[in-house]
Amino acid sequence: KAGVTQTPRYLIKTRGQQVTLSCSPISGHRSVSWYQQTPGQGLQFLFEYFSETQRNKGNFPGRFSGRQFSNSRSEMNVSTLELGDSALYLCASWQGQKYNEQFFGPGTRLTVL
Amino acid sequence: AQSVTQPDIHITVSEGASLELRCNYSYGATPYLFWYVQSPGQGLQLLLKYFSGDTLVQGIKGFEAEFKRSQSSFNLRKPSVHWSDAAEYFCAVGERGGADGLTFGKGTHLIIQP
Repeated sequence: KAGVTQTPRYLIKTRGQQVTLSCSPISGHRSVSWYQQTPGQGLQFLFEYFSETQRNKGNFPGRFSGRQFSNSRSEMNVSTLELGDSALYLCASWQGQKYNEQFFGPGTRLTVL
Repeated sequence: AQSVTQPDIHITVSEGASLELRCNYSYGATPYLFWYVQSPGQGLQLLLKYFSGDTLVQGIKGFEAEFKRSQSSFNLRKPSVHWSDAAEYFCAVGERGGADGLTFGKGTHLIIQP
């Protein structure tokens, strides 16, 4: 069974630009969660999508948004990039029910200049 | 609000020696607890998880963890470490079985001395 795929793996943007990151979950998984990892703040929950609906959201500004498609693939978008948005963005694929295991992708490394 | 504390930022262990990584959590109900490992440039790999039943949990790669409710702890152990165990280790707690996202500790960086 193929694992979680994230594209692109690396991205360099400048302040003020916007960016879209993609996550393809494991086949059959209906939920995708997104996390931001930075050296200062560690791993923080961004949001979670289940069957095309945002089910939960972390404490991030509205510049961070996402969506999920009918095939469970998910995208997250960050608008008006700031230097502090430089991070590793991880997505987790899971069945979406309580106590299901969450499988993480390799991440997208975003650098904002 | 739930929180996770990993008191040790760095730990250095000799190859072949035993290992214990500490994790303390703050959560009102029965927690859903995890240990993940992250190698440089990689995503997170699940080592083990606990949400009920036997408080000693066996995981992959020879790791185990013990849930102690009285101490709000979920420490990770391995009897004999290998050089390939060098990595970042994260403890996490999931509210409502993980459905509300996972809260991670800051991580412990494990260094293996030859």
